[in-house]
Amino acid sequence: AQKITQTQPGMFVQEKEAVTLDCTYDTSDPSYGLFWYKQPSSGEMIFLIYQGSYDQQNATEGRYSLNFQKARKSANLVISASQLGDSAMYFCAMRGADKLIFGTGTRLQVFP
Amino acid sequence: DGGITQSPKYLFRKEGQNVTLSCEQNLNHDAMYWYRQDPGQGLRLIYYSQIVNDFQKGDIAEGYSVSREKKESFPLTVTSAQKNPTAFYLCASSVLGGQGGTSRYGYTFGSGTRLTVV
Repeated sequence: AQKITQTQPGMFVQEKEAVTLDCTYDTSDPSYGLFWYKQPSSGEMIFLIYQGSYDQQNATEGRYSLNFQKARKSANLVISASQLGDSAMYFCAMRGADKLIFGTGTRLQVFP
Repeated sequence: DGGITQSPKYLFRKEGQNVTLSCEQNLNHDAMYWYRQDPGQGLRLIYYSQIVNDFQKGDIAEGYSVSREKKESFPLTVTSAQKNPTAFYLCASSVLGGQGGTSRYGYTFGSGTRLTVV
């Protein structure tokens, strides 16, 4: 069975600092995709970054980077230079053969 | 612009009443999904469909029903059998084909429907 685990219910970070949000996963499929989504208070799901299981390099998208450690089955999200607008829920997700499953999320709060 | 439209944004249901949440997409995606989100929780899969006239149960299908008569539409009915329906419901769609590990195009989400039992 596939599983996503996010062990940090909440995180605080000061503006302009970097923060790492943890995500571990479990799957027996050799081919899978890992995603991070941001959910602001409005409820919409905003795609941030993607990492394929066969990708050799860690994914980066602007201020977002994904620290992919395949042997440890971890896919941590790093946000550099945090901004007040980064305050939101963040979800790690994994896509297997036919569906996307989510972790329980981490609430990030950025303070001035 | 292509996207997913969910309606209504807010919905109130009386005890014992069935209600239907609408989800329409114009992205030409084959697959569509319904998720439920409870406060402070992640998303849990209710139902999904990869082709017209076919759908599969997700992790929490009890008390819900769906139909997929058109590629563009995937309505969700919350029946009276669902004892705790108050939640935020998100619809999503995706392309099919390719391996999960090679498809960077995850899901496109609607803006959600917030259902409250009164």
